[in-house]
Amino acid sequence: AQKITQTQPGMFVQEKEAVTLDCTYDTSDQSYGLFWYKQPSSGEMIFLIYQGSYDEQNATEGRYSLNFQKARKSANLVISASQLGDSAMYFCAMRQGGSGTASKLTFGTGTRLQVTL
Amino acid sequence: EPEVTQTPSHQVTQMGQEVILRCVPISNHLYFYWYRQILGQKVEFLVSFYNNEISEKSEIFDDQFSVERPDGSNFTLKIRSTKLEDSAMYFCATRAEAFFGQGTRLTVV
Repeated sequence: AQKITQTQPGMFVQEKEAVTLDCTYDTSDQSYGLFWYKQPSSGEMIFLIYQGSYDEQNATEGRYSLNFQKARKSANLVISASQLGDSAMYFCAMRQGGSGTASKLTFGTGTRLQVTL
Repeated sequence: EPEVTQTPSHQVTQMGQEVILRCVPISNHLYFYWYRQILGQKVEFLVSFYNNEISEKSEIFDDQFSVERPDGSNFTLKIRSTKLEDSAMYFCATRAEAFFGQGTRLTVV
């Protein structure tokens, strides 16, 4: 069975600083995908970044990057130059199979990030 | 414009009533997914739907739930007889689950 663990229920970061949100996963599959989502207080789920298990480079999307360490089974999200608007709940999720497969996402419990002045 | 639009954004219903949650993709998708998130908890998979058939469902997706694609574009989740514990945010997702709708907040009273 797949499992996602986010050990930080809450994090604080000062504006303009970088922050790392931890995510570890457990799977016996060789092919899988890792996702990060942002959920602001309004409730919608916003896709941030995706990393495939066979991708050799760490994924980056603007200020977001994914620190993928396959041997450690970790997929930490790094947010650079934090902004007040980054304050939200962040979820790590995993899917069996590569991109284009249809299997379900398994989510972690989330980390609430608060950006301060 | 969002990939997926969900309606209604918020619904309040009495226990025992039927509710239908709707999902409209902006373009033609083959795969659809429904997830729910009970307030303050993690997101849970309910069901996946491919080519007009259920491809996978969780233990949560019992007989009170059903999914349909009634007109080839809309995608619906029906809860036949709502219970208090069905109160949650319900999300529709598509395109390999990278795109979630904005969610329907269901409150059962």
